[in-house]
Amino acid sequence: KAGVTQTPRYLIKTRGQQVTLSCSPISGHRSVSWYQQTPGQGLQFLFEYFSETQRNKGNFPGRFSGRQFSNSRSEMNVSTLELGDSALYLCASSLNFRAEGEQYFGPGTRLTVT
Amino acid sequence: GENVEQHPSTLSVQEGDSAVIKCTYSDSASNYFPWYKQELGKRPQLIIDIRSNVGEKKDQRIAVTLNKTAKHFSLHITETQPEDSAVYFCAAPDMRFGAGTRLTVKP
Repeated sequence: KAGVTQTPRYLIKTRGQQVTLSCSPISGHRSVSWYQQTPGQGLQFLFEYFSETQRNKGNFPGRFSGRQFSNSRSEMNVSTLELGDSALYLCASSLNFRAEGEQYFGPGTRLTVT
Repeated sequence: GENVEQHPSTLSVQEGDSAVIKCTYSDSASNYFPWYKQELGKRPQLIIDIRSNVGEKKDQRIAVTLNKTAKHFSLHITETQPEDSAVYFCAAPDMRFGAGTRLTVKP
């Protein structure tokens, strides 16, 4: 079974621009969660999508948004990029709700904002 | 949301020693407590988890204990090896991750 994939793997953007990241979960998984990872802040939860609906949201500004499609693939969008948005963005998929079982992480998208 | 505190933030042990990492949470409404390991440059991977109907679970050199009354759960690694060197994360009931513990096992 193919693992979680994320595209692109690396991205360089300028302040003020917007970016869209994509995540393809493991086949059959219905939940996709997004995390921001920075050296000083660990793994910060962004949001979880389950069956195309956002179930939970972390403490991030409205510039961070996402969606999930009927095939469970998910996208995350960050508008009006700031330097502090530079981070590794990880998505994770799980069979059911993320709080009920193992999450499988993708390789991440490394975003650099200049 | 759920708060989870993880300690220590760094831990250095000699090969063969034991390592213990503890997480404390504030919300008692959960049944699932996982631990993830992230090696340098790699993605986090589940190493062990426990559900609230048991107090301890063991898998070879790794064990997790859960104290729901005190609201904390701990990861225990025995007979540590250099390949155990990584960052370990616990996840609170609401799947908020702890800040991580960087474990270094010195040969």
